Amino acid sequence: ILNVEQSPQSLHVQEGDSTNFTCSFPSSNFYALHWYRWETAKSPEALFVMTLNGDEKKKGRISATLNTKEGYSYLYIKGSQPEDSATYLCALAQGTDKLIFGTGTRLQVFP
Amino acid sequence: GAGVSQSPSNKVTEKGKDVELRCDPISGHTALYWYRQSLGQGLEFLIYFQGNSAPDKSGLPSDRFSAERTGGSVSTLTIQRTQQEDSAVYLCASSQGRGKNIQYFGAGTRLSVL
Repeated sequence: ILNVEQSPQSLHVQEGDSTNFTCSFPSSNFYALHWYRWETAKSPEALFVMTLNGDEKKKGRISATLNTKEGYSYLYIKGSQPEDSATYLCALAQGTDKLIFGTGTRLQVFP
Repeated sequence: GAGVSQSPSNKVTEKGKDVELRCDPISGHTALYWYRQSLGQGLEFLIYFQGNSAPDKSGLPSDRFSAERTGGSVSTLTIQRTQQEDSAVYLCASSQGRGKNIQYFGAGTRLSVL
């Protein structure tokens, strides 16, 4: 059984704090790692797709790193804002076209 | 429309009834996926269509669930003899195919089985 694990399950931070969460996955047969943001009452929205070991991606205040050899990816948010409140999902493509999603990290940013 | 469209947005049905959920993917996207999120759970893969290939049905939870994709575009997910445990948000996504491509999600159908 392929398990994609995310931690923490939920996170509460103050506006302006920086935060990070982890996605762990089996390193064998790695193909790609996706990050999505899912705001309440909206559709999941892609943040990054990462394919190479050592990849770093950045989008505004959000960045991600990837280690395919040890099987983890970190998502960082610098200077969190209330509008960053959402569930952040990672998903693994393991040599196939379908994605296996983690259960997500629910972030709440308080003003 | 430019995005993935799903209908209905909400569906309330009685246990034992059949339901059909529709997904209209982004034009030109060869891959189409169905997922569901039950209360307190993550996104669960159901079924995947890629071009003219046979669909990957490995995530369908029972034989009451089926899906088809007509003409390589619109897809319908059918649940027969619905049960209360089928209550969930059903999401459809499309992509240009292959696991490196971003998936674009619809707004989902919230199914409630009474």
